[in-house]
Amino acid sequence: QVQLQESGPGLVKPSETLSLTCTVSGESLTFGYFWDWIRQPPGKGLEWIGSVYHAGTTYYNASLRGRATISVDTSKNQFSLRLSSVTAADTAVYYCARDRTRRLDSWGQGTLVTVSS
Amino acid sequence: DVKMTQSPSSLSASVGDRVTITCRASLSISDYLSWYQQKPGKVPKLLIYSASTLEKGVPSRFSGSGSGTDFSLTISGVQPEDFATYYCLQTRNLSLYTFGQGTNLDI
Repeated sequence: QVQLQESGPGLVKPSETLSLTCTVSGESLTFGYFWDWIRQPPGKGLEWIGSVYHAGTTYYNASLRGRATISVDTSKNQFSLRLSSVTAADTAVYYCARDRTRRLDSWGQGTLVTVSS
Repeated sequence: DVKMTQSPSSLSASVGDRVTITCRASLSISDYLSWYQQKPGKVPKLLIYSASTLEKGVPSRFSGSGSGTDFSLTISGVQPEDFATYYCLQTRNLSLYTFGQGTNLDI
């Protein structure tokens, strides 16, 4: 059974870059699915950030105006998110998820990232 | 961009009720729609995919229907553990998935 676990700093300063990693166990990233990042500001709804395929193909939510970069490290079975120039509006719980043929069927537990000086 | 309009934003029900939540897409998304349940402080859980296919392990009281632009999630006989927030997600376009705004189902 696939398991996903997010990791990274819980506090990031404004204007800096948020970096998170999702470690996948129980399945190889090269199996053939997309792997996604989603976030949820406190008390608000879900927002899709973007996705990556093991070969490196990526898709991003245009509303992030080019600030997001998702990459994959198949040797470590991990994929990562970098979000630059963060503001308080980027404070959220960040989830990674497996994108199995256009459905998000396995999720990490989520990690809260707070943007504050 | 495909915009998803989910309604209602909140819904009150009693145990045993039949409830329906709807999502409308701003343009046709075929059946690229899934439904998720999220309880407070918990991870979203996939309930339905491809508009009407029940995810393995999800109780049969959950059902989904629709195609094109209009979709619905129905709970036939709400149980105490069903009180949660529900989201639809369109995945028609790989370059932009869009969630609905969410529906809070409470007692």
